Amino acid sequence: AQTVTQSQPEMSVQEAETVTLSCTYDTSESDYYLFWYKQPPSRQMILVIRQEAYKQQNATENRFSVNFQKAAKSFSLKISDSQLGDAAMYFCAYSVGVTQGGSEKLVFGKGTKLTVNP
Amino acid sequence: DTAVSQTPKYLVTQMGNDKSIKCEQNLGHDTMYWYKQDSKKFLKIMFSYNNKELIINETVPNRFSPKSPDKAHLNLHINSLELGDSAVYFCASSQGTGWTGPRGYGYTFGSGTRLTVV
Repeated sequence: AQTVTQSQPEMSVQEAETVTLSCTYDTSESDYYLFWYKQPPSRQMILVIRQEAYKQQNATENRFSVNFQKAAKSFSLKISDSQLGDAAMYFCAYSVGVTQGGSEKLVFGKGTKLTVNP
Repeated sequence: DTAVSQTPKYLVTQMGNDKSIKCEQNLGHDTMYWYKQDSKKFLKIMFSYNNKELIINETVPNRFSPKSPDKAHLNLHINSLELGDSAVYFCASSQGTGWTGPRGYGYTFGSGTRLTVV
């Protein structure tokens, strides 16, 4: 079964600095998808970035980028120029294909709480 | 326009009661989901429906019954509520279609329903 591990329950960063959140996963698939979601205090789950495993190029969305190491099964999130609004829980997720019906099951890690200090 | 809307946002009820949470999406997605987020913020899938058909039914007590009257709606009914049911329940949708379905789009989440059983 696919599992997702986030080894850092909490992280903190100074405003304008860079922080990296770690995620590792376990799978026997060769083609899959990975995601980072952000959950601010408002509770809304927001998609931050996605990565397709067959693409070697690391995904980037503005200040957010990933370091995808397929052989190591590692998928870390780098936040550059951290802002106060980046403070949230961050969840790493793996997409498990369901063989019937076209469902896509996301398996989530336990999350990392990011604090941004002014 | 809200893409995935859940009602109510907050629900406080006594043990033993029956309650429902409603979810609607206006994205035209074929697949909808219910996830439970416990007090430690861990997200776990409960159910998924593809075009009104139940696809995923994880190990969930029989007291939980999803109903999908059409592909834009997925409601969750809970009978005989227990203290342990207190959690945040998220509805989500994705673009999965067809037998094998496309993967990798991730989910669009609703804003969650905080259920408190007293």
